[in-house]
This record gives sequence, structure tokens and C-alpha cells, in this order.
Amino acid sequence: KQEVTQIPAALSVPEGENLVLNCSFTDSAIYNLQWFRQDPGKGLTSLLLIQSSQREQTSGRLNASLDKSSGRSTLYIAASQPGDSATYLCAGTGNQFYFGTGTSLTVIP
Amino acid sequence: DVKVTQSSRYLVKRTGEKVFLECVQDMDHENMFWYRQDPGLGLRLIYFSYDVKMKEKGDIPEGYSVSREKKERFSLILESASTNQTSMYLCASSLLTGEAFFGQGTRLTVV
Repeated sequence: KQEVTQIPAALSVPEGENLVLNCSFTDSAIYNLQWFRQDPGKGLTSLLLIQSSQREQTSGRLNASLDKSSGRSTLYIAASQPGDSATYLCAGTGNQFYFGTGTSLTVIP
Repeated sequence: DVKVTQSSRYLVKRTGEKVFLECVQDMDHENMFWYRQDPGLGLRLIYFSYDVKMKEKGDIPEGYSVSREKKERFSLILESASTNQTSMYLCASSLLTGEAFFGQGTRLTVV
């Protein structure tokens, strides 16, 4: 069964820092890799989808990369802002979605 | 924009009640999913469906059933609610192997 791990579990940074969130998975046979954001008490918001044939995707200050051979994905957030504070989850797609347990990010003003 | 709508944001039900959680998506997605999310346990898949009238058990189907009579609607049923089913319930939809979109979540409390 696919196991997805996210490190670190929690991260606190001052505003303006660049940061990297990590996601690793045990089975390289995932199809897509998707990153989500979740605010407290809310549903998940899709941030970036890296499809099977791609290696990275960018949206604004966010950049996600995928290396299937090593079983890793990273989410890079540039110039962090307090509004980026949330939990970030990654999910690999096989015949279903396999979620990590998330990284809780706090950006301090 | 894809929209996944869950019928309630908050629900309080009594032990033993039959509970229906409804989810509707507007993008003609084949796949629909029900997850529950608990602190420290992450998202756990309850049931999913690849097509109308089709359903597959996820990791924790016990105590739950589902119904998908129309492509856009996927219902989660708690046959006899128990306190250990107090949780956040999240519905999602996607195209086959495509991007997943989630609803806003239903916080269910069973008393």
C-alpha cells in the first residue's frame, strides 16, 4: 500500500522567508501528485497538480516538483506571508488518492 | 470553476440515528470520494465510486454505506450513528486519475 510522509510536521518561519515542504512516497507507481492547502475547519483547496508526464508546476509564489524515481515531491513557497499559514497536504494518485498527514505552517508577521 | 458542495457544514445527531451526508459536484466527474479526517490520523478513505451505482470500500468502511444513483451526487450514510463517528467528513470528486476537488467539509458531532 502506498505510504506518504510529509516532513516537517510543523514549521514556523518569519514573514518573507522562502521555504520548502517535503513529501515522500513509497511506491513510485503514482500517476499524478497534487498539493493542497487546508485552513482550520475547512475543506482542502487544490494548489498545484503535477501530472504524470510533468516534473514541476508553478503558480504565483508556489512551485512544486516531482521526482518519481526517488519518490519525492517538494513544494517551494517564495517570500512567505502570514496568509500562507495553513496545513499543506500532498497526495499521490494511483487508483485512488493517497494523502500525507500534512505540514502545519505558521508565518509570523 | 469546479464546485463540490456538501449539504451541511455542521451537524449534531444523536447516537443510533440514521445520518445522511450529501455531496454534489457540477463538473461531470466520474470519481467521487468520502473521507473522514481526525487529528493525528489524517484523511482516511471511507468509500469511493467510479461511476453511477458503483462503489468500492476504502480503508474504513465499517459503519458506513454509500449511494450513487446519479453521476453528480454521492451520499454517505451512517446506518446507526455512534460517538466514534464524530469527525470532519470530506467529499471529493475527480476525473479518472485527474485533479481532485474537495467540498467545504461537514463537521459531524454524535452525542
